[in-house]
Amino acid sequence: GAVVSQHPSRVICKSGTSVKIECRSLDFQATTMFWYRQFPKQSLMLMATSNEGSKATYEQGVEKDKFLINHASLTLSTLTVTSAHPEDSSFYICSARDRVAGANGYTFGSGTRLTVV
Amino acid sequence: RKEVEQDPGPFNVPEGATVAFNCTYSNSASQSFFWYRQDCRKEPKLLMSVYSSGNEDGRFTAQLNRASQYISLLIRDSKLSDSATYLCVVNSYSGGGADGLTFGKGTHLIIQP
Repeated sequence: GAVVSQHPSRVICKSGTSVKIECRSLDFQATTMFWYRQFPKQSLMLMATSNEGSKATYEQGVEKDKFLINHASLTLSTLTVTSAHPEDSSFYICSARDRVAGANGYTFGSGTRLTVV
Repeated sequence: RKEVEQDPGPFNVPEGATVAFNCTYSNSASQSFFWYRQDCRKEPKLLMSVYSSGNEDGRFTAQLNRASQYISLLIRDSKLSDSATYLCVVNSYSGGGADGLTFGKGTHLIIQP
């Protein structure tokens, strides 16, 4: 089945630094990639939707200059958390839609646990 | 009003029992419905889609009531391995083309031996 590889799985960084998270679709073309964030005991919240070759669409309240999304190819999307602060510590998950698979074709990466100290 | 609402639990259920979860959604234009399972500190994994006619997959049965805007999941003969958080998920396609999933907070299930 469809696989989305997400790296790193865990990262600890100092406040003020930037962190890049990568998601790759391994055996399908991900024209659309979704980025979610999940705080403890909370639901996954959609942060942004990225389409290959175009600018990402951000959800209300998500700062586009802080969370930079690049979707330069059909198999790779990256999320960069710039000038990270402790409140950015969270579980970040990407999801890609395999359109060939239809409405059920949402595949999730394994997530990145970010801790900002 | 939250878009997708679930009872967070936890539901403590003895092994072998039957357990049911409900979920309500606010967007009447929602088109696709799913139950996902999420284990602690892991990504969500699709358990099953939910169809209007109701559908079954082994010990799991999902039902959709569009008129009342609620979705249910029934687990029969529960196993210890069923312990997880069950996420009710809705896809409401927007005019802008963004069709990301909307997740409930999840219902935490603990199966006890």
